[in-house]
Amino acid sequence: GAVVSQHPSWVICKSGTSVKIECRSLDFQATTMFWYRQFPKQSLMLMATSNEGSKATYEQGVEKDKFLINHASLTLSTLTVTSAHPEDSSFYICSARPSPRDTQYFGPGTRLTVL
Amino acid sequence: AQSVSQHNHHVILSEAASLELGCNYSYGGTVNLFWYVQYPGQHLQLLLKYFSGDPLVKGIKGFEAEFIKSKFSFNLRKPSVQWSDTAEYFCAVPHPLFDKLIFGTGTRLQVFP
Repeated sequence: GAVVSQHPSWVICKSGTSVKIECRSLDFQATTMFWYRQFPKQSLMLMATSNEGSKATYEQGVEKDKFLINHASLTLSTLTVTSAHPEDSSFYICSARPSPRDTQYFGPGTRLTVL
Repeated sequence: AQSVSQHNHHVILSEAASLELGCNYSYGGTVNLFWYVQYPGQHLQLLLKYFSGDPLVKGIKGFEAEFIKSKFSFNLRKPSVQWSDTAEYFCAVPHPLFDKLIFGTGTRLQVFP
């Protein structure tokens, strides 16, 4: 149980294009989903927290107009990297949490490479 | 502000050696504590968690962790590691004010047969 999927698992795009990453909770409903970035050999950096039906809460320093987050249902959240640049290349990880007192369940991550 | 420290950045062990990875947090109030593991090429998985009760928590794959409130610590232990334990280990604590987890910088464990 408690499986989270991400699609795509990797994507390569040209600079200036937009990329959408999906995060799905497959066997539970997630009231809250989180989006992280992980740089090589470093810890996870929280980008934003999204609650179903509400606007996402972004961490300081994360551009909300660049990283668009939509959490339209209890099983799906999307992260769109708009006008991607090479510095946006990273490993993006989502997590989903069934309820506030529950643990977070992590997706497998999406490797984004911007050329 | 809440912070999490993992002082061991890279640990190298031989199989059957004992393991202890340090985790210290700064917030002194009621805390929940987590250890996550990330095997090479895989996603983060919950290893164990402490919410309340017995401060010695047992997790999957023979891991355990002890919550010592007076030391603000939640160290991860395993009496005898295996090659398959090679992974990155992250300690995490919920932020006391905001709905988010604070992760430590991670400890890379390499176990050689």
